[in-house]
Amino acid sequence: EVQLLESGGGLVQPGGSLRLSCAASGFTFINYGMSWVRQAPGKGLEWVSSIGVRAYTTYADSVRGRFTISRDNAENTLYLQMNSLRAEDTAFYFCARPILSGADKRGFDFWGQGTLVTVSS
Amino acid sequence: QSALTQPASVSGSPGQSITISCTGSSGDIGAYTYVSWYQQHPGKVPKLIIYDVSQWPSGVSTRFSGSKSGNTASLTISGLQAEDEADYYCSSFTSADTLVFGGGTKVTVL
Repeated sequence: EVQLLESGGGLVQPGGSLRLSCAASGFTFINYGMSWVRQAPGKGLEWVSSIGVRAYTTYADSVRGRFTISRDNAENTLYLQMNSLRAEDTAFYFCARPILSGADKRGFDFWGQGTLVTVSS
Repeated sequence: QSALTQPASVSGSPGQSITISCTGSSGDIGAYTYVSWYQQHPGKVPKLIIYDVSQWPSGVSTRFSGSKSGNTASLTISGLQAEDEADYYCSSFTSADTLVFGGGTKVTVL
């Protein structure tokens, strides 16, 4: 059974940093690109970042230069390092696995339960 | 990376068919067949119901169908049921190698 378990969310002051983790199990992690998607409370979905099987990374304009996605294939874990956090980064952060192993943005068929990041003073 | 445009709400009676539109540009929907649709019930994580414009993930009802014409993708729900009441989001791969979502559509079953 595919499982994605996020952790690392919490309350942080504006300008602060946080690192999210997503522990993956039930599939061959190394064969899949992975992504982070966020959702502000009561709002819509927003793609944040993706990392391919060869660690090629892409970012939304809203987070580029502040967030860094990475993966540890030995630990089957996805990370999101978030720096210079702003109030508008407040959201539930989901890690997501694509339905096709060779294409990291063509539909996410498995999602974690999400971890809440709140940026506030 | 402008969000795709979806109607805020769509409603229909049980048994009817409804269609949700998702309008993008020549740099996303118009350029690729990589449009996905998600269903999200309150307090739940999104569920993939269509990928690659019109493909069904395993286990998804064929009452959901997808299509695309030009810069606009569409999701049709046939035989509307009470359990279909949820928020629906489209997404598309873009020419910048990014992903963009629509703003979401709330479906109400009357």
